[in-house]
Amino acid sequence: DAGITQSPRHKVTETGTPVTLRCHQTENHRYMYWYRQDPGHGLRLIHYSYGVKDTDKGEVSDGYSVSRSKTEDFLLTLESATSSQTSVYFCAISGDWRPSDTQYFGPGTRLTVL
Amino acid sequence: DQQVKQNSPSLSVQEGRISILNCDYTNSMFDYFLWYKKYPAEGPTFLISISSIKDKNEDGRFTVFLNKSAKHLSLHIVPSQPGDSAVYFCAAPNAGNNRKLIWGLGTSLAVNP
Repeated sequence: DAGITQSPRHKVTETGTPVTLRCHQTENHRYMYWYRQDPGHGLRLIHYSYGVKDTDKGEVSDGYSVSRSKTEDFLLTLESATSSQTSVYFCAISGDWRPSDTQYFGPGTRLTVL
Repeated sequence: DQQVKQNSPSLSVQEGRISILNCDYTNSMFDYFLWYKKYPAEGPTFLISISSIKDKNEDGRFTVFLNKSAKHLSLHIVPSQPGDSAVYFCAAPNAGNNRKLIWGLGTSLAVNP
């Protein structure tokens, strides 16, 4: 199994509070991704990173920011959480951008915004 | 328009029989397709893929067929086992930026003993 951990695994927070989710990898992979999974929507890309300090938006980036100051860590921040951001968040990594380069996923973080 | 569609939310089969999971796509520029499998409370894991230059790729009990003219692919699992019970996602790299994957909604497969 690829060495990917996500923290916290579960979090309950209140609307308007800031939340940061952490993804940590031990594979030294260049690419890291944040997805959210919701019923009826499948997996949707929030942001991804193609190197330290290099990030780009995905299809549902509004309300989220990311940072990558080290190869191994990719942080997802909700500046002011809303109930619509209640979801399961997955981090993924890959060695390269080619389609044949498999994305390996972390175990997920279940976030509830009350 | 770049969509990957899995029109069957769920599928139930008997152990030992064939499971066929279907996926349709809208953009003929898609040139690679992937299947991921997901168990509850875990992240998705890569299962099998196929390039658009092929029409079939096989890996053990899993075979993916690609019909480019119909913009359709299918995943066959033979024989199905109870441990195959999971949600299966079809995905394709965005034709404009293949660092991004476009995902179907998934099909929940239940293999009954």
